[in-house]
Amino acid sequence: DTGVSQDPRHKITKRGQNVTFRCDPISEHNRLYWYRQTLGQGPEFLTYFQNEAQLEKSRLLSDRFSAERPKGSFSTLEIQRTEQGDSAMYLCASSLVGSSYEQYFGPGTRLTVT
Amino acid sequence: AQSVTQLDSQVPVFEEAPVELRCNYSSSVSVYLFWYVQYPNQGLQLLLKYLSGSTLVESINGFEAEFNKSQTSFHLRKPSVHISDTAEYFCAVSRTSGTYKYIFGTGTRLKVLA
Repeated sequence: DTGVSQDPRHKITKRGQNVTFRCDPISEHNRLYWYRQTLGQGPEFLTYFQNEAQLEKSRLLSDRFSAERPKGSFSTLEIQRTEQGDSAMYLCASSLVGSSYEQYFGPGTRLTVT
Repeated sequence: AQSVTQLDSQVPVFEEAPVELRCNYSSSVSVYLFWYVQYPNQGLQLLLKYLSGSTLVESINGFEAEFNKSQTSFHLRKPSVHISDTAEYFCAVSRTSGTYKYIFGTGTRLKVLA
């Protein structure tokens, strides 16, 4: 068990550019979550997958955001036409349905939009 | 909908003194409760959780939390803190069915002073 990994750890981009983040969950976990954390705030839920199906999206997830989880393994979160307000830490977590309901978090990807 | 309130944004305390970090929640349905800790430049780590049963839960490093349904609280306590406990602490709730997504509080920064 190597834990949840995220790549890259840091990303600096210019406003208007597209960015993509990757999350590799714990291998046997079938649930995967994306959260966003801004300075001084707790993480906020963005979206959730069970296996490859995206089952819920927050209103925070505008149409510039898209997430995928092909084959129920790793997941990607893409932000198109980035805005300065997208600057945040993007956290990925995974869990195993039917287990103890706790989520295991990755180290996060810190996005800075200049 | 659920919400979590952590009234104390920062708590300074001297080493070996006791500490209590407060967490109150609001929910019209049953919830699970969690405390996560975030050390500088690290991801969120589960500290302890309440799912059911005994309302007093303990972690391996001396923290404990008590679920109080009537007061809708899940305060975190430690009888004697160490410098190494300096971190940000997040309280979170999830519904007991469905997506199990977390709703986090805004966090409490615990600073242990020598």
